[in-house]
Amino acid sequence: GQNIDQPTEMTATEGAIVQINCTYQTSGFNGLFWYQQHAGEAPTFLSYNVLDGLEEKGRFSSFLSRSKGYSYLLLKELQMKDSASYLCAVKDSNYQLIWGAGTKLIIKP
Amino acid sequence: DSGVTQTPKHLITATGQRVTLRCSPRSGDLSVYWYQQSLDQGLQFLIQYYNGEERAKGNILERFSAQQFPDLHSELNLSSLELGDSALYFCASSTGQASGEQYFGPGTRLTVT
Repeated sequence: GQNIDQPTEMTATEGAIVQINCTYQTSGFNGLFWYQQHAGEAPTFLSYNVLDGLEEKGRFSSFLSRSKGYSYLLLKELQMKDSASYLCAVKDSNYQLIWGAGTKLIIKP
Repeated sequence: DSGVTQTPKHLITATGQRVTLRCSPRSGDLSVYWYQQSLDQGLQFLIQYYNGEERAKGNILERFSAQQFPDLHSELNLSSLELGDSALYFCASSTGQASGEQYFGPGTRLTVT
């Protein structure tokens, strides 16, 4: 079967750095996406990795290791507005997105 | 604003009833996806349409059906509603059929009483 694992919940302090991990086992791999979703709102696209390595975009970075079936999302200089769920999704061999259950990130002052 | 619109925003109905949710994709997008998200749960992929044709099917119940019209808007029909169908229903769109970056609408919150 296809499986994507993320921690259910994480807590971090404003101004700090947090790393949200995602491991996956899918039938094929054609890219990995990270989305942000505030409570009751629609998910919004954060990043896309298809090759190994780190992609940096402002305060957010995403890393991929295809051989390990592993990705992480790194958030720096945390702000209160970063409190949200972060969804990892993998595009499988049929080019369909398989979604993780999401990681709820709580930021404390 | 993603450019994807969904109506209605909220819907309250009784068990056993039937409802229709509507979605208009971003201009130029040919694919439409429907998702269900129950309270504090992850996104459950229901179905995808590409240019009017069904492209992929996820965990969609037989009581649910969808279609995409020639103008590319889509409708999700939910029938014989049960309490457990209460959820946020999201529509998303993308340019091609191979599920690239998806743009989500604001969702329809369905409450079944």
